[in-house]
Amino acid sequence: DTEVTQTPKHLVMGMTNKKSLKCEQHMGHRAMYWYKQKAKKPPELMFVYSYEKLSINESVPSRFSPECPNSSLLNLHLHALQPEDSALYLCASSPSEGEGEKLFFGSGTQLSVL
Amino acid sequence: LAKTTQPISMDSYEGQEVNITCSHNNIATNDYITWYQQFPSQGPRFIIQGYKTKVTNEVASLFIPADRKSSTLSLPRVSLSDTAVYYCLVGDMGGRNQGGKLIFGQGTELSVKP
Repeated sequence: DTEVTQTPKHLVMGMTNKKSLKCEQHMGHRAMYWYKQKAKKPPELMFVYSYEKLSINESVPSRFSPECPNSSLLNLHLHALQPEDSALYLCASSPSEGEGEKLFFGSGTQLSVL
Repeated sequence: LAKTTQPISMDSYEGQEVNITCSHNNIATNDYITWYQQFPSQGPRFIIQGYKTKVTNEVASLFIPADRKSSTLSLPRVSLSDTAVYYCLVGDMGGRNQGGKLIFGQGTELSVKP
């Protein structure tokens, strides 16, 4: 299995809702990532987990809360989002966070905040 | 930190060879050149990487001159399905550039027409 699976593929939520994005990989990778991508822009790094511990937070607002329950799963909990948070949210994994490790990306969750 | 510069967009027709050039004047001695491809509504995927001269795989070729200040991604006989954004990254073997993070530049949007 060489895939990173993200669910749901599409999500529409109101500004008062709480929702979660899920990401799963079964490649034995120990580093997982969340990226945010606005239309016509490159992906922007949000969070990095290494061995289930948060290693990088790129100054992301607290309304985004990542969680790594185990080495195969990565969640992104969303609460009180703003319309400008509408974007494609991409999950990725790599064998480790070490130098030289290529990233494998999922297909993303297209999020719309109303 | 080696900055990369690519054309924002390119147009081509089916069956043509497409060459996308990336400038990286400040490339360091131990830097690799990595290209990722992103189809609409999907995550980026690694397509090719090189250090010097020429690298070829089933998807593309990568040409790197002796001074390594630029590189050219070559896509032979493109089809409509090659329509995508192509990102050039300079860094370690995984393309990681900024402090071990994988950070994308603006990329080149390739549009292949029938």
